[in-house]
Amino acid sequence: GAVVSQHPSRVICKSGTSVKIECRSLDFQATTMFWYRQFPKQSLMLMATSNEGSKATYEQGVEKDKFLINHASLTLSTLTVTSAHPEDSSFYICSAKTPQGGVLAEAFFGQGTRLTVV
Amino acid sequence: AQKITQTQPGMFVQEKEAVTLDCTYDTSDPSYGLFWYKQPSSGEMIFLIYQGSYDQQNATEGRYSLNFQKARKSANLVISASQLGDSAMYFCAMREGREYGNKLVFGAGTILRVKS
Repeated sequence: GAVVSQHPSRVICKSGTSVKIECRSLDFQATTMFWYRQFPKQSLMLMATSNEGSKATYEQGVEKDKFLINHASLTLSTLTVTSAHPEDSSFYICSAKTPQGGVLAEAFFGQGTRLTVV
Repeated sequence: AQKITQTQPGMFVQEKEAVTLDCTYDTSDPSYGLFWYKQPSSGEMIFLIYQGSYDQQNATEGRYSLNFQKARKSANLVISASQLGDSAMYFCAMREGREYGNKLVFGAGTILRVKS
């Protein structure tokens, strides 16, 4: 399957600071990437769809000013959690859509990032 | 209404036995895709198997098979010959519509524990 890499895998930051998470497609160009959030022992919830060269599309209830998404190149999307607070502590994971499409176009995920805000 | 329902919060299975993880879905779109993922404690989402709504046969991938019952709107995952390494969280997910790139909607997940 398509290789999607996420960095960092774990990050601890102080309350009030910002943290950036990277999602890279390693062996393909991805015009679309997806950012999910997962609270402990819960399911994945889509936060936003990231489109290269344009603004991200946020799901209802997700603060776009809080979670800044930048998809500046065909292989990289970044999620920045601004002014992080303990309630932002969660597991963030991305997936990337392969250009050839098909039924598995967006089936492959990065390794995820566990964010802890102290 | 829940799009994807996984009614088993946790399951135990004896090593080398088969286990079925339940998944029911709700959609009015005739075109959809169903996915199963494994999430070990490390957190990564490992794609296991896919079933399209128009697929005539049940999907199989090694020890994984999908028991697709369209009329009942169920897509149960069957793991044969369970191994200790199968212990993980398992998620069922659905994508609606023909246009690939639509979001995946996930169920609540089932924790599977394989006993030796």
